[in-house]
Amino acid sequence: GDSVTQMEGPVTLSEEAFLTINCTYTATGYPSLFWYVQYPGEGLQLLLKATKADDKGSNKGFEATYRKETTSFHLEKGSVQVSDSAVYFCALRSSGGGADGLTFGKGTHLIIQP
Amino acid sequence: KAGVTQTPRYLIKTRGQQVTLSCSPISGHRSVSWYQQTPGQGLQFLFEYFSETQRNKGNFPGRFSGRQFSNSRSEMNVSTLELGDSALYLCASSLLAGDQNEQFFGPGTRLTVL
Repeated sequence: GDSVTQMEGPVTLSEEAFLTINCTYTATGYPSLFWYVQYPGEGLQLLLKATKADDKGSNKGFEATYRKETTSFHLEKGSVQVSDSAVYFCALRSSGGGADGLTFGKGTHLIIQP
Repeated sequence: KAGVTQTPRYLIKTRGQQVTLSCSPISGHRSVSWYQQTPGQGLQFLFEYFSETQRNKGNFPGRFSGRQFSNSRSEMNVSTLELGDSALYLCASSLLAGDQNEQFFGPGTRLTVL
């Protein structure tokens, strides 16, 4: 079945540092890929998405590129802020009939120190 | 536009009882999905409803059920509660069903089973 693997952390960085959170996946067909963010006490918010190979999703300074050859969708940001502290989830949804909703990674807890 | 709302936000039940959770999707959205979030298992897909029909179901026992009404509001029910059912239950809505449709999440219902 489908699966998503990401580092769980916590990942602790200083403000203005470069961020990479790795995400790799296993899926049948050609899934759509997503990054969601969850702030304390809140639900999930979609951060960015990519629906086909080589697509780049971007939002709020975050970027991720759909790499079919390496089955990866790594999240990057050039300069993190304290307000970026949250849990980040990589997710996929397979295309075609019988899709089983979103398949999530375990989440990466990101802590940004001032 | 109002977001996805879930009621109640917090719930405490005892083993053996049953519980009903409610989700109101964003106006105009016809698809509602439910997810269970626990520290051990992470985020897991429960089921998806579209136009009052269950479209997909995750790997959960029959004690977990749901339904969708003609106004797209959805309820999920858990019967014969077990301690392991303690979790955050998230509802997500999207305009249509399918892998490329963005899912918008509600804040969740925190269920504690004693």
